[in-house]
Amino acid sequence: AQSVTQLGSHVSVSEGALVLLRCNYSSSVPPYLFWYVQYPNQGLQLLLKYTSAATLVKGINGFEAEFKKSETSFHLTKPSAHMSDAAEYFCAVSDGNFGNEKLTFGTGTRLTIIP
Amino acid sequence: DAEITQSPRHKITETGRQVTLACHQTWNHNNMFWYRQDLGHGLRLIHYSYGVQDTNKGEVSDGYSVSRSNTEDLPLTLESAASSQTSVYFCASSADRGVKYFGPGTRLLVL
Repeated sequence: AQSVTQLGSHVSVSEGALVLLRCNYSSSVPPYLFWYVQYPNQGLQLLLKYTSAATLVKGINGFEAEFKKSETSFHLTKPSAHMSDAAEYFCAVSDGNFGNEKLTFGTGTRLTIIP
Repeated sequence: DAEITQSPRHKITETGRQVTLACHQTWNHNNMFWYRQDLGHGLRLIHYSYGVQDTNKGEVSDGYSVSRSNTEDLPLTLESAASSQTSVYFCASSADRGVKYFGPGTRLLVL
């Protein structure tokens, strides 16, 4: 069974500051890992994904995440926060087996940007 | 452009009524999924399908059913709505090993 833990249900950062959203995973097989963003009253959009290629993954809107197997982590970062980054962010894991596409989501982190 | 749509976007119903939420995708994806989103729980998988006539239970399937008669649609039925099923429901689709695309969601209130 797979699971993800997102540390911090709410994170606030100042505009221009570093964004760091934490995600730790548990998986019995090599995982596929994802970060999704949800803007108010909208569905989820894929930010980036790790599928066993490069451990540093670059996504949209300046976000990136690094897969660290030794730490079982996949933290999301952005060097400089913008007001438009305010949203809820979800980390998710899949076991990546062919035909088994179920995602297990974390409980989400709401990011607030302080002007 | 291909898309995934859900209807209705908002629904109010009464306890005990049967409710069906529609999900339609034009990506021609084999895989379709239903999730519910609740505060403090993130998204939890209700049912999923890997192709026509295939359906599977997720982690919170009690009180819900789905059917897959074609590639494009996966309707979700609440057999007898309960207040505990008040939630936001998201449909998603993907190709095998592909990115998941999510619909805009249906907000359901059971009174």
